[in-house]
Amino acid sequence: DQQVKQNSPSLSVQEGRISILNCDYTNSMFDYFLWYKKYPAEGPTFLISISSIKDKNEDGRFTVFLNKSAKHLSLHIVPSQPGDSAVYFCAASVGSGGYQKVTFGIGTKLQVIP
Amino acid sequence: NAGVTQTPKFRVLKTGQSMTLLCAQDMNHEYMYWYRQDPGMGLRLIHYSVGEGTTAKGEVPDGYNVSRLKKQNFLLGLESAAPSQTSVYFCASSRRRSSGTDAYGYTFGSGTRLTVV
Repeated sequence: DQQVKQNSPSLSVQEGRISILNCDYTNSMFDYFLWYKKYPAEGPTFLISISSIKDKNEDGRFTVFLNKSAKHLSLHIVPSQPGDSAVYFCAASVGSGGYQKVTFGIGTKLQVIP
Repeated sequence: NAGVTQTPKFRVLKTGQSMTLLCAQDMNHEYMYWYRQDPGMGLRLIHYSVGEGTTAKGEVPDGYNVSRLKKQNFLLGLESAAPSQTSVYFCASSRRRSSGTDAYGYTFGSGTRLTVV
């Protein structure tokens, strides 16, 4: 059972426009959500996170929105740049102290067209 | 600051051969993890460690063993490789998350691409 779902395998966006990557989850016990970015032949790098008690978190061009009632989160990139072309993984964490169990989605490949 | 270093980067094994994947981190992180990434499957946890001398099974542990004799190193072993273990393997590390604090992102290595023929 996939607890973290990224239903769009790929997304193409024009440079300068907004990129919206979506993620759905099923486990209401998740208390943190994270986004990772991965370039080919590299490991994923942590991008941004959000606590389940918040509905928005911003970091520069990246904003993550959380809708707990819908069990849905999204990552907005504004404006999109060619260097943002990568695979984006959504991840969800449970465990408030010590070890946190993290579940990853299968990723969405973003292509930003110059 | 190297972060997380994985060796080797590529390896081809014959079915039945054994090998060890090495992971080293220089951030003094308590926790370390081994993941595999397969097409359409995302990242799946193989084993993890919450401290020196301690390891635990993840989601897909069968066919793998691990050891963490030193805090900075986490080794993943394949005793008898099978074609189903063809994958990209990622090691990651993180700080221990204290109660009431934000979740910490993982720091990943660049991966080991393993092919078993």
